[in-house]
Amino acid sequence: GNSVTQMEGPVTLSEEAFLTINCTYTATGYPSLFWYVQYPGEGLQLLLKATKADDKGSNKGFEATYRKETTSFHLEKGSVQVSDSAVYFCALSDRNSGYALNFGKGTSLLVTP
Amino acid sequence: DAEITQSPRHKITETGRQVTLACHQTWNHNNMFWYRQDLGHGLRLIHYSYGVQDTNKGEVSDGYSVSRSNTEDLPLTLESAASSQTSVYFCASSELDRASEQYFGPGTRLTVT
Repeated sequence: GNSVTQMEGPVTLSEEAFLTINCTYTATGYPSLFWYVQYPGEGLQLLLKATKADDKGSNKGFEATYRKETTSFHLEKGSVQVSDSAVYFCALSDRNSGYALNFGKGTSLLVTP
Repeated sequence: DAEITQSPRHKITETGRQVTLACHQTWNHNNMFWYRQDLGHGLRLIHYSYGVQDTNKGEVSDGYSVSRSNTEDLPLTLESAASSQTSVYFCASSELDRASEQYFGPGTRLTVT
């Protein structure tokens, strides 16, 4: 079956530091890949997505590239801000899962001034 | 603006009671989903629906049921609440495409005592 593995948190960074959150996946089909973000006390919202190999998703300074050869979708940002403090979830969907999302366990990010 | 709402936002109930959590969306999406979020597990799929009168079991469906009588609503019922069902519950909706973004509600925090 499908599964998503992402690095355990919490991750603590200083403002303007470089961020990488690793995500790898296992899927039997050709999945779409997503990063969702959850701010404290809120629901999840889509951060970025990629639907096929070598696609790069980007939004708000965050980027992730769909790497089929390494089954990875690592999230990166060149310079984090305090406002980026949140929980980040990697997820996938494919034909075998219908339209539901398989989520990783989430990575908590805390950015300090 | 279109939105997805959940009610109640917080609920405390006793073991053995029946509980229904409401989810209402105005996106006119065919797909609707229920997830539960627990520390160390990320989000796990409970039930989902592709349209009116359609319901499907997810990864952790035991003890839960849903019904879909119209496009806008997918209520989640706990038939006989158990302490293991203490969690935060999220409803989501999306269009009929594996690459489509899922829109999440704000969540319901349920405590079973």
